[in-house]
Amino acid sequence: QLVLTQSPSASASLGASVTLTCTLSSGHRTYAIAWHQKQPEKGPRFLMKVNSDGSHNKGDGIPDRFSGASSGAERYLAISSLQSEDEADYYCQTWGTGIRVFGGGTKLTVL
Amino acid sequence: QVQLQESGPGLVKPSGTLSLTCAVSGGSISSNQWWNWVRQAPEKGLEWIGEIYHNGMTNYNPSLKSRVAISIDKSKNQFSLKLNSVTAADTAVYYCASLAMATNLFDYWGQGTLVTVSS
Repeated sequence: QLVLTQSPSASASLGASVTLTCTLSSGHRTYAIAWHQKQPEKGPRFLMKVNSDGSHNKGDGIPDRFSGASSGAERYLAISSLQSEDEADYYCQTWGTGIRVFGGGTKLTVL
Repeated sequence: QVQLQESGPGLVKPSGTLSLTCAVSGGSISSNQWWNWVRQAPEKGLEWIGEIYHNGMTNYNPSLKSRVAISIDKSKNQFSLKLNSVTAADTAVYYCASLAMATNLFDYWGQGTLVTVSS
């Protein structure tokens, strides 16, 4: 079964860096994933696609502070120079034949 | 730029049917996109509901498949969601979204609409 696992929460200080992790279920470690940012009262915003080789393709207007990486079954979203507006929920998402799957989301708090 | 706008009743009675429509503007619903529904229950994460292609092909979340139907109206450039036998657990903000078939990536989202299931 295709499942994405995320830590429920993360925190980092203003101006610091943080890395969020998304883990693919067994048997699916070669899958690409997408990262989405979800702020209250807004629809999700596509951030980037992260491939199994670590390459990533960002959405339009996504700052250079956001980057992606991969290692094995893990896909990462790194945010540097944290700003207050980065405080949001971050979801990873992937797809299989006839199915789309979201991770449980990570709530990022900027201290 | 494609814009998506959800509409429909904000309150549905338990055991009733939730019906929502997503109007697509700035692009054709007959383009190479999957048209999706995603929801977020209060204090919960995003949940994929299902999708439709302009030829009528559909895919549904297995956990909801028995209760969901997504349809498309090309003449009105819109697509719709019906979820039957609703309970309080179906209370959520419902989003419509487009997904590019070539990349399998969500590219446009609606603002979302809150549907509450309550008597």
